[in-house]
Amino acid sequence: NAGVTQTPKFRILKIGQSMTLQCAQDMNHNYMYWYRQDPGMGLKLIYYSVGAGITDKGEVPNGYNVSRSTTEDFPLRLELAAPSQTSVYFCASQSGRGSYEQYFGPGTRLTVT
Amino acid sequence: AQTVTQSQPEMSVQEAETVTLSCTYDTSESDYYLFWYKQPPSRQMILVIRQEAYKQQNATENRFSVNFQKAAKSFSLKISDSQLGDAAMYFCAYRSQIQGAQKLVFGQGTRLTINP
Repeated sequence: NAGVTQTPKFRILKIGQSMTLQCAQDMNHNYMYWYRQDPGMGLKLIYYSVGAGITDKGEVPNGYNVSRSTTEDFPLRLELAAPSQTSVYFCASQSGRGSYEQYFGPGTRLTVT
Repeated sequence: AQTVTQSQPEMSVQEAETVTLSCTYDTSESDYYLFWYKQPPSRQMILVIRQEAYKQQNATENRFSVNFQKAAKSFSLKISDSQLGDAAMYFCAYRSQIQGAQKLVFGQGTRLTINP
């Protein structure tokens, strides 16, 4: 059971480039989340999804887009990367409303220069 | 909007001793969850302990326990018999039970150092 997987682990982007951070879970969880963690800070919610075809903005959505075409996958798209998007990105999943635990992926460290 | 505050950026403790990490939160809701997550240098987020707001009894998990004071909106983590493997960033987090997607709101974190 792989849990929540994220690719890539590390990436360096130039300003203005675009990329997609991949997230997949094999636990058949309905809820999925994207967080970012800036240096020395806690995690902040970017986007979330309560099921396939349903997404919504979190606290810091500007500069990002998401899609949820399947239960398993929840990719995060960065358009026109900026230095302010340098961060560690975490994907998480939760089975549903009655579950108490969110399961986190290992994170993707992104640097924009 | 809910907020979570951890007022101790860094803490240190001697191995085998006890340390308490502080957390306060702000909410107008009556039903919610509170969590402590551990983040070692590997970056993996590891759930340490959770507390349901409707439960008066403080949660415990082996060497980890909480002091939950609902009226004061305080949620501290006590680590007993500290071990070198406890060294990590610790994050307090709040989760509403009435919002649709049950989003987590995190504090800024406390870096815990264990001195041998």
